[in-house]
Amino acid sequence: DQQVKQNSPSLSVQEGRISILNCDYTNSMFDYFLWYKKYPAEGPTFLISISSIKDKNEDGRFTVFLNKSAKHLSLHIVPSQPGDSAVYFCAASASGSARQLTFGSGTQLTVLP
Amino acid sequence: KAGVTQTPRYLIKTRGQQVTLSCSPISGHRSVSWYQQTPGQGLQFLFEYFSETQRNKGNFPGRFSGRQFSNSRSEMNVSTLELGDSALYLCASSPRTGGGGYTFGSGTRLTVV
Repeated sequence: DQQVKQNSPSLSVQEGRISILNCDYTNSMFDYFLWYKKYPAEGPTFLISISSIKDKNEDGRFTVFLNKSAKHLSLHIVPSQPGDSAVYFCAASASGSARQLTFGSGTQLTVLP
Repeated sequence: KAGVTQTPRYLIKTRGQQVTLSCSPISGHRSVSWYQQTPGQGLQFLFEYFSETQRNKGNFPGRFSGRQFSNSRSEMNVSTLELGDSALYLCASSPRTGGGGYTFGSGTRLTVV
């Protein structure tokens, strides 16, 4: 039972255009969401997060949108750069003492020059 | 400051053997979590240790175990290896328990033949 789903295993975008990565979740107890980026042979690195009390968080070229009613979040990258090519993981956690992260299966983003 | 260090980087074991993986967290971080990454499955949570105590455990068989030492270094052990245990095993450290402020290591690539 996948509580966090990334239904697109891959996405290709032209350099300079917008990349939109999507993530859906089923557990209504999740109240904190994160995006990680992973290059081959490296561990995931934290990118951006959002709390359920917000519907948008922005950090430079990266913006995360949260739609709680639809249990959906998305990561927008504008403008996309070739160095953004990586696997992007969506993760979620619920408040409480056991705030473990539940990850999606990842989306491979390829930014074409 | 030094990041999260996982050793070894690569490992090849035979089915039925056991294996021990090591993780040294960032200095001052007391929480260590372990994840398994397989193609198409994303990151699956194995367990979290904080101050030498297992705080949370994922849905993995008892063949997967771990421990944490007084210096916060952690080891993960897998006994009676199966072909399906071939994966990238990632360790993440955090200054506090419960999933916040994760920093991942580069992982140990385990291949079971």
